[in-house]
Amino acid sequence: DVKVTQSSRYLVKRTGEKVFLECVQDMDHENMFWYRQDPGLGLRLIYFSYDVKMKEKGDIPEGYSVSREKKERFSLILESASTNQTSMYLCASSRDRGLYEQYFGPGTRLTVT
Amino acid sequence: TQLLEQSPQFLSIQEGENLTVYCNSSSVFSSLQWYRQEPGEGPVLLVTVVTGGEVKKLKRLTFQFGDARKDSSLHITAAQPGDTGLYLCAGASDSWGKLQFGAGTQVVVTP
Repeated sequence: DVKVTQSSRYLVKRTGEKVFLECVQDMDHENMFWYRQDPGLGLRLIYFSYDVKMKEKGDIPEGYSVSREKKERFSLILESASTNQTSMYLCASSRDRGLYEQYFGPGTRLTVT
Repeated sequence: TQLLEQSPQFLSIQEGENLTVYCNSSSVFSSLQWYRQEPGEGPVLLVTVVTGGEVKKLKRLTFQFGDARKDSSLHITAAQPGDTGLYLCAGASDSWGKLQFGAGTQVVVTP
């Protein structure tokens, strides 16, 4: 079974802090994704990566950056956390461009105060 | 702007009843997926439909992809409390593997 793990289930940070969310997958997947999930809005794509050191902006990249130095690890960085970034953050991976099934981690609920 | 609209947003039914969730779009998708998400967990893939008009069954769950590949439905027969969860549809339309998600339908099945 594919396993996607996220570094924290719950995180509380202060406004202006730099926040790192880590995601690791163990199935040698090419693609990795970061979403945020808010009630009534569904999942919105922040960034995705289709290879090591490659990244593409999703629908809502403002205020975020990403890093993918190794194939199995994809990090989401909030450069200066703000209260409107309080949300559930979900990481996902998929095998390659041709297969669209995505496997999700359990999520990190981030609260910015 | 949501490219995929799900309805209803919330559904509460008694055990044994049937329910249908709809996913509609003005866009054509190359494939469409349904996920279920339980509280505190990430979504888990239930099914992928690829061909227009396709019908897939997964035990008591029936999934249909519209002929024009713009809409889909999920029908649950004789719902059970274990079917409780947030049901999300997601459409794929580009070559990167990106998905567009609907806002979800919260289903609650009470004993």
